[in-house]
Amino acid sequence: DAGVIQSPRHEVTEMGQEVTLRCKPISGHDYLFWYRQTMMRGLELLIYFNNNVPIDDSGMPEDRFSAKMPNASFSTLKIQPSEPRDSAVYFCASSLGRGGYTFGSGTRLTVV
Amino acid sequence: KNQVEQSPQSLIILEGKNCTLQCNYTVSPFSNLRWYKQDTGRGPVSLTIMTFSENTKSNGRYTATLDADTKQSSLHITASQLSDSASYICVVSSDWGSQGNLIFGKGTKLSVKP
Repeated sequence: DAGVIQSPRHEVTEMGQEVTLRCKPISGHDYLFWYRQTMMRGLELLIYFNNNVPIDDSGMPEDRFSAKMPNASFSTLKIQPSEPRDSAVYFCASSLGRGGYTFGSGTRLTVV
Repeated sequence: KNQVEQSPQSLIILEGKNCTLQCNYTVSPFSNLRWYKQDTGRGPVSLTIMTFSENTKSNGRYTATLDADTKQSSLHITASQLSDSASYICVVSSDWGSQGNLIFGKGTKLSVKP
């Protein structure tokens, strides 16, 4: 298995633009998580899905953020409109049941 | 308030030396504690997971300990290698039944010098 695959690896965008981050979890995993990592706050859970259904989105900072999981092999995190304070590394992770997580390599987002 | 505190914030050691990283938590109820290694530019990779009943777990040169009474954990690295240079993150889960209840420490950045 290729692990959790995220794209793009790097994204630079102008303030106000829409940004879409993509994630392909490990085949067979039933949980998918979106995290944001910054130097100041470390890793923060944004939202997680179980069997494609959003379970907890209380970590999503505001309405500008949205996430979808249309099927078991794909998820997106969208920011519209983007702001400079959204600059961070965004990680997707998946797990089978309550076991250990496998993280993707992350998307480094820079909003200028 | 549920918190995970790690120390030191950063550490520099010489190759071949041992080191110990600390994690104190105030998470309650406690379900399990995980240590992750995060290389620069990569996602975290799981090293160990310990439940309440486990007080030590090893993964190669990495040994994690857990004292659930004092709410402390440590990660000991033996005979360090240059490839051990990374951030080490302590993560505590408060509820085995809910995957969202993970509290992350801010990590210890370890640099191993030749």
